[in-house]
Amino acid sequence: DAKTTQPPSMDCAEGRAANLPCNHSTISGNEYVYWYRQIHSQGPQYIIHGLKNNETNEMASLIITEDRKSSTLILPHATLRDTAVYYCIVIAGSRLTFGEGTQLTVNP
Amino acid sequence: DVKVTQSSRYLVKRTGEKVFLECVQDMDHENMFWYRQDPGLGLRLIYFSYDVKMKEKGDIPEGYSVSREKKERFSLILESASTNQTSMYLCASSEGPRNSPLHFGNGTRLTVT
Repeated sequence: DAKTTQPPSMDCAEGRAANLPCNHSTISGNEYVYWYRQIHSQGPQYIIHGLKNNETNEMASLIITEDRKSSTLILPHATLRDTAVYYCIVIAGSRLTFGEGTQLTVNP
Repeated sequence: DVKVTQSSRYLVKRTGEKVFLECVQDMDHENMFWYRQDPGLGLRLIYFSYDVKMKEKGDIPEGYSVSREKKERFSLILESASTNQTSMYLCASSEGPRNSPLHFGNGTRLTVT
């Protein structure tokens, strides 16, 4: 499975868009990009996933570059409850492997 | 909404005890997983199951076993608990298709003394 690189931490002002980057330069053609988040003392929560096209759901948008070597998770209007560790994962099957992720802190 | 329920939120056991961690999901998912989470190491896959009575080793199966007698229930067993098994244990489930997202429980924090 492809390795991902994320910044260890980011800050965002409440109400603004949070843009979380992820590099996955070794991604192969059949691998999906997944995003999860983990709020302190809870289990990881699925956010969104995609293969090639940009995706949007009620939680977030996922922008995948044309060469698929990087992606960005966008939380359009961040709230204090979006403070969490965000994990970007690239995989072809169900055996997800989580790295250290990005600690997003949303400030009032 | 999918609900994955882990039987205990916190558990304290002694070295050498046999420990059972139970997980139940209510959405008829085919796949179930056990992970452990440790600071600096992320989540690591212990065992998973694609069907009843079926199991496959993950990345760190040593010291663990699993049981899946019913579709909705996946148990993790520590035959003889050791202090290096002190960790947060997370259960997850997903639908049949390989790229279905995982749904996690809230975890069991196990301390082995």
